[in-house]
Parts: sequence; C-alpha cells; structure tokens
Amino acid sequence: DAGVTQSPTHLIKTRGQHVTLRCSPISGHKSVSWYQQVLGQGPQFIFQYYEKEERGRGNFPDRFSARQFPNYSSELNVNALLLGDSALYLCASSFWGQETQYFGPGTRLLVL
Amino acid sequence: QQQVKQSPQSLIVQKGGISIINCAYENTAFDYFPWYQQFPGKGPALLIAIRPDVSEKKEGRFTISFNKSAKQFSLHIMDSQPGDSATYFCAASSEGGKLIFGQGTELSVKP
Repeated sequence: DAGVTQSPTHLIKTRGQHVTLRCSPISGHKSVSWYQQVLGQGPQFIFQYYEKEERGRGNFPDRFSARQFPNYSSELNVNALLLGDSALYLCASSFWGQETQYFGPGTRLLVL
Repeated sequence: QQQVKQSPQSLIVQKGGISIINCAYENTAFDYFPWYQQFPGKGPALLIAIRPDVSEKKEGRFTISFNKSAKQFSLHIMDSQPGDSATYFCAASSEGGKLIFGQGTELSVKP
C-alpha cells in the first residue's frame, strides 16, 4: 500500500513569494495534519483537517492556510514567504479519532 | 504545559549496547505517547507507541517504559546496531489531536 505522498520534494523560493505544498493521505485515512520541522528541532503542528473542516490550528501566522479536498488530499499555502519559513514541511494522515499519525517524506522549502 | 521535554540531545552507544532516551510531560490530558525515528532527509517513521494505562510495551528490540505518576516515559533500544543511528523523537497527544514533539535525540551507534 502506498504511504503518505507529498509534492514537490524540494522547493526554492524568494522572500515575499507564495508557495503551495500538496499531500495525499494513505488510502482510507480521512484526517490530514501539517507540521513544520526546522533543522535540528522537532516537528511543530500547523493544521489538522478532517472531512474538509479545520479541526485544529497551531501557533502560526495567518500567512499559513490549508484546505482539504473531497478526496481527502490537502494543500498547505504560505503567503509572503520569510527566510524563517525555510523548513521541512511534513504531512501526516490518520483515521479520524485514532491517534496514530503516519508521516510523508516531507517537502524541503528553502526561502532565499 | 504543552511541552514535552526530551533528553539527552545526543547519545553515542557501542554496537550491542542499550540506548536509553527519556521524555517528560506536564499535561495530564495527554493519552497517547508515540516514538518516531527519523533519518536525514526523511519523514518521521512511527516506531512504537503506548497509552498511559500500560507501564511497559515491547516490540522487538524497542521498549517503552511509562511512569504515569512521574509523568515520564522512555525508549530503550536493546542490542543497538549501527543501522539504528538516527534522530529519535518522543511525542504526546490527547484525543487524537495534534502531536506535541520533544526536541529530538541524535543517536549514533558505533561499530
């Protein structure tokens, strides 16, 4: 079975630009969560979605937004990129109401 | 109160030895405690997880010990191998929600 997939794998942007990251959950999983992992730190929670509804939001500015589609895939959007947004962005999927989250390989974003 | 504190930051163990990583939490609402293994450039992979109604869980060479009264839990890797060299993260969550991660432990197993 395919795991969580994310695209693109790597991305280079300049300050002020906008970026869209994509995630496809494991088949049968209806919940998707997004995390930001800065080099040398643990992942930080950004959003959790279930059935296209936002079910949780971390301490991130409004420049960060996300959505979930009817097929349960998800997009993370970041506007007005800052140098500090450079990180590995991770997507995790799970059955709703179950704790186990399975992570994708991540998208490495570099903001210059 | 949402923090999970992990130690040590780095660990060097000889092949065949036991690796021990510790975590502590404050929020008593946490009800799920997973450990993830992450290799450079990869996403975290679930290793083993425990709920607070169990004091110990073992899967192969990996064991979680859980002390509810002390609000601490630890990962033990028995017979550590060079292939175990990676960064390990403990985490906690409540009611299936967001995972709160520790700061990570970089494990190096020397041959």
